[in-house]
Amino acid sequence: EVQLVESGGDLVQPGGSLRLSCAAYGFTFSNYEVNWVRQAPGKGLEWVSYISSSGSSTYYADSVKGRFTISRDNARNSLYLQMNSLRAEDTSLYYCAMAHRTTGHNAYDIWGQGTMVIVSS
Amino acid sequence: QSVLTQPPSVSGAPGRRVIVSCTGSSSNIGAGYDVHWYQQLPGTPPKLLIYGNTNRPSGVPGRFSGSKSGTSASLAITEVQAEDEGDYYCHSYDSSLSGWVFGGGTKLTVL
Repeated sequence: EVQLVESGGDLVQPGGSLRLSCAAYGFTFSNYEVNWVRQAPGKGLEWVSYISSSGSSTYYADSVKGRFTISRDNARNSLYLQMNSLRAEDTSLYYCAMAHRTTGHNAYDIWGQGTMVIVSS
Repeated sequence: QSVLTQPPSVSGAPGRRVIVSCTGSSSNIGAGYDVHWYQQLPGTPPKLLIYGNTNRPSGVPGRFSGSKSGTSASLAITEVQAEDEGDYYCHSYDSSLSGWVFGGGTKLTVL
């Protein structure tokens, strides 16, 4: 079964750092682009970051640019999000999401269950 | 405030047709970028309903359809059912932002 499983969410103080992970199962991870999408409590979806299949190309939402870094380890079938200088407004459920059968359209047909990040003192 | 504008809520009686709109601009929908639609039921991750403006993934009922014209796109749900209650999001690429964007989301209530 094609599956993405996030981990690493936690309660962190403002200004702190956190690293999220997303493990991929059931497909050849190295062939696919992957994204991070977040959702603040009671709010809508916000695209956060994208990484190409090889990891050579990355993109970020303006709200996280310069603070977050997306990376991947294809040998470990894993995606990461290094989050620095965290702010209260970064409090969200973070999903990894990808286009599996919809490649070419970048429509996310595979989503993880999400990992919660709370930024508070 | 998203660059893709959706109505906060829509409603319809069971069996009726409901439409959710998504209004963009010349840097996203109007530029020819694909629009995708997701359904999010309470407490669950989003589920892809429509991709590439009009295509349904395998397993999505034919009651769901998408269209696009100019700088706008729409999701139509015919014969709406109680199980369709949830939040619906449009999604596209924006060249001005050099990234992907979601609409603010629309809450569907089945009366």
